[in-house]
Amino acid sequence: NAGVTQTPKFQVLKTGQSMTLQCAQDMNHNSMYWYRQDPGMGLRLIYYSASEGTTDKGEVPNGYNVSRLNKREFSLRLESAAPSQTSVYFCASRNGQGALETQYFGPGTRLLVL
Amino acid sequence: AQSVAQPEDQVNVAEGNPLTVKCTYSVSGNPYLFWYVQYPNRGLQFLLKYITGDNLVKGSYGFEAEFNKSQTSFHLKKPSALVSDSALYFCAVRGANTGGFKTIFGAGTRLFVKA
Repeated sequence: NAGVTQTPKFQVLKTGQSMTLQCAQDMNHNSMYWYRQDPGMGLRLIYYSASEGTTDKGEVPNGYNVSRLNKREFSLRLESAAPSQTSVYFCASRNGQGALETQYFGPGTRLLVL
Repeated sequence: AQSVAQPEDQVNVAEGNPLTVKCTYSVSGNPYLFWYVQYPNRGLQFLLKYITGDNLVKGSYGFEAEFNKSQTSFHLKKPSALVSDSALYFCAVRGANTGGFKTIFGAGTRLFVKA
């Protein structure tokens, strides 16, 4: 049971390049999330998927797109990277949709946009 | 609107001394409150949560947190700090009537425990 896995662990992009961050969970969780972590700002929600086949915007969705490929996988795409997207990106999953359940986080992807 | 404040960027404690990491929140309706810990180059790990009931919640690694409704606070505590407790700690709140998806995280407090 690997929990939540993310690839790549680290990536350097040039402004305007595109890339996809991959996330997978093996806990059979229904909901999945993408956050970005910036110094002094905590974690901010980019997009989430309440269940397979659905996605919704979070606090900071501009410049990103997501795909909930199946129940296990939730990818985050940057179509045209900008320096402001330099950050650490975390994927998380949670069982069920209620407010009580705990989120489980992946190890993160460090992205540097030059 | 929901919000979480962690007023201290860093907390310094000597090993063996008690530690407190502060958190205050604002949410409409009943709050669900969480503490997470992040070690270097790792994702966040769940420590404890308050949903309802006893105001003192016990969690992993000897940590506990006290929910105070009148002060809208949820401070993290540990009676005796260890050097291995040094990490980044996040408080988070989820409103009971927000559909359960929008968790708001504080900016984080770095705990440094000196041997």
